[in-house]
Amino acid sequence: DAGVIQSPRHEVTEMGQEVTLRCKPISGHDYLFWYRQTMMRGLELLIYFNNNVPIDDSGMPEDRFSAKMPNASFSTLKIQPSEPRDSAVYFCASSLQELVTQYFGPGTRLLVL
Amino acid sequence: GIQVEQSPPDLILQEGANSTLRCNFSDSVNNLQWFHQNPWGQLINLFYIPSGTKQNGRLSATTVATERYSLLYISSSQTTDSGVYFCAVRAAAGNKLTFGGGTRVLVKP
Repeated sequence: DAGVIQSPRHEVTEMGQEVTLRCKPISGHDYLFWYRQTMMRGLELLIYFNNNVPIDDSGMPEDRFSAKMPNASFSTLKIQPSEPRDSAVYFCASSLQELVTQYFGPGTRLLVL
Repeated sequence: GIQVEQSPPDLILQEGANSTLRCNFSDSVNNLQWFHQNPWGQLINLFYIPSGTKQNGRLSATTVATERYSLLYISSSQTTDSGVYFCAVRAAAGNKLTFGGGTRVLVKP
């Protein structure tokens, strides 16, 4: 298995633009997680899905952020409009069950100018 | 919200040494996990351990939920153990996973 795949690996955009981050979980994993990491706030769990359904989005910072999982093999995290404070590394992870080992993707490094 | 404090913030080890990392939390939890982030940024989920003890190779973890702390043990450390170790908890009365600030470990050859 190729592991969790994230794209793009790097994204540079200007303030106000829409940004879409993509994640392909490991096949057969029922849980998908989105995390954000910044120097100021550290690691944060933004949202997670079970069988394509959002279970907990309490970590989503504000309405500019939205996440979807249209099918078992694909999820997106969208920021519209983007702001410089959204600059961070965004990680996607998947797991077979909620409270077992999560497998992380390599992350998307986002820079909003 | 729940507070998570990790100690020490930084740790330098000689290869082969043993060490203990600590995670204190301010409220009852129903979820506690340890993560490792290597120097290249890759994250690995090490343990899910809201209570009790688990071992995985040279790493082991113990959580004493009643006293609100968890310990991560690294035995016979190797240079590949370098990186940042994070503890994350979910309060029993809440639903948000909160991360500690991490312990940065450097293992010297």
